[in-house]
Amino acid sequence: NAGVTQTPKFQVLKTGQSMTLQCAQDMNHEYMSWYRQDPGMGLRLIHYSVGAGITDQGEVPNGYNVSRSTTEDFPLRLLSAAPSQTSVYFCASSYSNRGNTEAFFGQGTRLTVV
Amino acid sequence: GESVGLHLPTLSVQEGDNSIINCAYSNSASDYFIWYKQESGKGPQFIIDIRSNMDKRQGQRVTVLLNKTVKHLSLQIAATQPGDSAVYFCAENGVGGGGKLIFGQGTELSVKP
Repeated sequence: NAGVTQTPKFQVLKTGQSMTLQCAQDMNHEYMSWYRQDPGMGLRLIHYSVGAGITDQGEVPNGYNVSRSTTEDFPLRLLSAAPSQTSVYFCASSYSNRGNTEAFFGQGTRLTVV
Repeated sequence: GESVGLHLPTLSVQEGDNSIINCAYSNSASDYFIWYKQESGKGPQFIIDIRSNMDKRQGQRVTVLLNKTVKHLSLQIAATQPGDSAVYFCAENGVGGGGKLIFGQGTELSVKP
């Protein structure tokens, strides 16, 4: 198993550009989520999904959209990038959607918005 | 509100010593806690977890202690090695479940040879 795969690993955007961060998992996990990590801070939840076709907002959802058309994929879209979205983004998946099993993380996407 | 905090942002220990990393949580309804290790440039990696019906759980060189009375969590690393140098995060499952994890700020552990 590859686990959780994120692409790209690095990205530079200009303010106002849009892009999609890709996330795929091959563990047949129901639950997937996106976090952002800023310097000196823990991970903050952006959006999450408890199964295909179901998504919900996390702590910091503004400026981001998600969809979950398949169990495997959970892309994160930035519609109009802003410098405040400069961060490292992590995708995670869990077997359980009840919050009682560990989350597996991807290697992260480092995004810079100039 | 919900919060998970760490008492110390940095911890420096000598190789071979034991390390203790602390974490306070505020949501008494949380029933699942995880410790993650994050090395530079990598995603968080699972170390150990504990459920609220337990006070202690041991893994390989690591022990997690849970004190529900004071809402405190700790990670003990025995015989700390240079490879243990990383940032350590505690996390709790958020209110309402749904797989949401709330992370603390992290403690950077530095192991001196």
